[in-house]
Amino acid sequence: ELKVEQNPLFLSMQEGKNYTIYCNYSTTSDRLYWYRQDPGKSLESLFVLLSNGAVKQEGRLMASLDTKARLSTLHITAAVHDLSATYFCAVDILGGNKLVFGAGTILRVKS
Amino acid sequence: KAGVTQTPRYLIKTRGQQVTLSCSPISGHRSVSWYQQTPGQGLQFLFEYFSETQRNKGNFPGRFSGRQFSNSRSEMNVSTLELGDSALYLCASSFKTDNSPLHFGNGTRLTVT
Repeated sequence: ELKVEQNPLFLSMQEGKNYTIYCNYSTTSDRLYWYRQDPGKSLESLFVLLSNGAVKQEGRLMASLDTKARLSTLHITAAVHDLSATYFCAVDILGGNKLVFGAGTILRVKS
Repeated sequence: KAGVTQTPRYLIKTRGQQVTLSCSPISGHRSVSWYQQTPGQGLQFLFEYFSETQRNKGNFPGRFSGRQFSNSRSEMNVSTLELGDSALYLCASSFKTDNSPLHFGNGTRLTVT
């Protein structure tokens, strides 16, 4: 059974600091997704990583995928308050959009 | 471009009743998936439909069912509601079955009393 683990589960950051969220998964896959969820809102797609070594960047967020290590990272550069949200990684091993989600990382950026 | 639309946004039902939730995908999207989100279990896959066929199913009891219509709109039904079915039910659509990101709706918040 595929397990997806994120850490940390809660992250309190100072504005301007850098940090990384880790996503480990237990079964080989080359399809990994990152989503953002604001309180009371739906999930917003951030990144789609489809191959080993894939790196995607959008603003202050950068995601990478190492399929050999079964690890994806979401790096936050110079955090700002607007980045406060819950971030989920999700892995698809069977296709057909059957995603297994991590528990989510609650990110709070303090000024 | 309109996003994924779910109706209703909120529902309150009594234990033992049944409920039907509706989802209209983004125009042109043929894949519709359903997820349940709870504080305890997180986001869990329910099922996925593509061209009116169920392609994948999660580990939920048979009380949870769904269908997709020829216009790609989808419904899910939960019969004999239990307190534990209280959750946010999210519908997501995508253009293809693989590799495309899922676009999620705002969800239906179901409360079972």
